Amino acid sequence: SQTIHQWPATLVQPVGSPLSLECTVEGTSNPNLYWYRQAAGRGLQLLFYSVGIGQISSEVPQNLSASRPQDRQFILSSKKLLLSDSGFYLCAWSPRVGEQYFGPGTRLTVT
Amino acid sequence: GENVEQHPSTLSVQEGDSAVIKCTYSDSASNYFPWYKQELGKRPQLIIDIRSNVGEKKDQRIAVTLNKTAKHFSLHITETQPEDSAVYFCASTPGGGGNKLTFGTGTQLKVEL
Repeated sequence: SQTIHQWPATLVQPVGSPLSLECTVEGTSNPNLYWYRQAAGRGLQLLFYSVGIGQISSEVPQNLSASRPQDRQFILSSKKLLLSDSGFYLCAWSPRVGEQYFGPGTRLTVT
Repeated sequence: GENVEQHPSTLSVQEGDSAVIKCTYSDSASNYFPWYKQELGKRPQLIIDIRSNVGEKKDQRIAVTLNKTAKHFSLHITETQPEDSAVYFCASTPGGGGNKLTFGTGTQLKVEL
């Protein structure tokens, strides 16, 4: 069966510091991968998605970037965090068109 | 692009009653419609989905209906229980290719004893 991992689970970072969040998927090959952000009490905002190694599509212009160095690894990064980057970051994977399964998430607080 | 509207934003029901959440979509080529349940502090969980070639799908106390002509779909929960309390999100996959989901804004369901 497939499993999706995210780490860290929680993170507190000062404004202006860098960020690296990692997502890995087990038990599948060539999945579609997605990064979402959810502000407190709000909906799901798609940030990036990837259909293959090195292929990244950005949905919202911001100070975040994503990379997919391996088939089952998806990384979300920032060079300098802003207060507005605080939120619940969710990675998701999809075996085919439509169905998406979410990872446990990383709760980021920028202070 | 696709636009998904979800109503109501909050819903309070008595335990044992039914709950209905409705969503409308704009892209007539949309062909996949999942529903997610998100408990406080947890990840969204896929609870039921329906594809455009089906009008209704049921799984125990949960059912989803799809009206392609009117471009709306609904989640029905019968015999609600306190553990059904959560935020529910609808979503759609627009037609014409692509693997993105467009989500509704969510419904906070509260089941009261």
